[in-house]
Amino acid sequence: KQEVTQIPAALSVPEGENLVLNCSFTDSAIYNLQWFRQDPGKGLTSLLLIQSSQREQTSGRLNASLDKSSGRSTLYIAASQPGDSATYLCAVFADYKLSFGAGTTVTVRA
Amino acid sequence: SQTIHQWPATLVQPVGSPLSLECTVEGTSNPNLYWYRQAAGRGLQLLFYSVGIGQISSEVPQNLSASRPQDRQFILSSKKLLLSDSGFYLCAWSPKDTQYFGPGTRLTVL
Repeated sequence: KQEVTQIPAALSVPEGENLVLNCSFTDSAIYNLQWFRQDPGKGLTSLLLIQSSQREQTSGRLNASLDKSSGRSTLYIAASQPGDSATYLCAVFADYKLSFGAGTTVTVRA
Repeated sequence: SQTIHQWPATLVQPVGSPLSLECTVEGTSNPNLYWYRQAAGRGLQLLFYSVGIGQISSEVPQNLSASRPQDRQFILSSKKLLLSDSGFYLCAWSPKDTQYFGPGTRLTVL
């Protein structure tokens, strides 16, 4: 069974600092890995999707890397802003299903 | 474009009462459909998924059931709610290698 772990569980940084969020998974036989954002009481918004054959994806201030062989992914958010405050979820897709980590709750202080 | 709807947005139900949550998808045909639950302070747990009408797979034993009476309709039900059924329920659909989530239903069982 796939296990997805996210570290740290919570993170508080001053505005402008770079964020580093970590995700690890136990079974490397994945189709892709996704990072989602969830605001309180809301659904999920997809941020980045990395195919299993790719090493990284970038979108604006966000960059995600994937090391499938070691079962790790890292989400970098550059120059954080208060609007980046949310919970970030990592999920791996395999066998038609997504397996989620518990998330990292980020607070960016103005 | 494709859209996914869930209703109701919020629901408060007494213990022992029945439940019916509905999810519909527009703009696509024969999608894979999913029900997830997010309990307070926990990650997303896959409850059910469906690859076609009448085809339901259950991921965890529980008090809930799912049905897919039409191609783009997915229903989550219970005959008698438990306190532990409280949580945030998300429906998702999948075209191939990613999933798109609905806005969610917040269920509180008292």
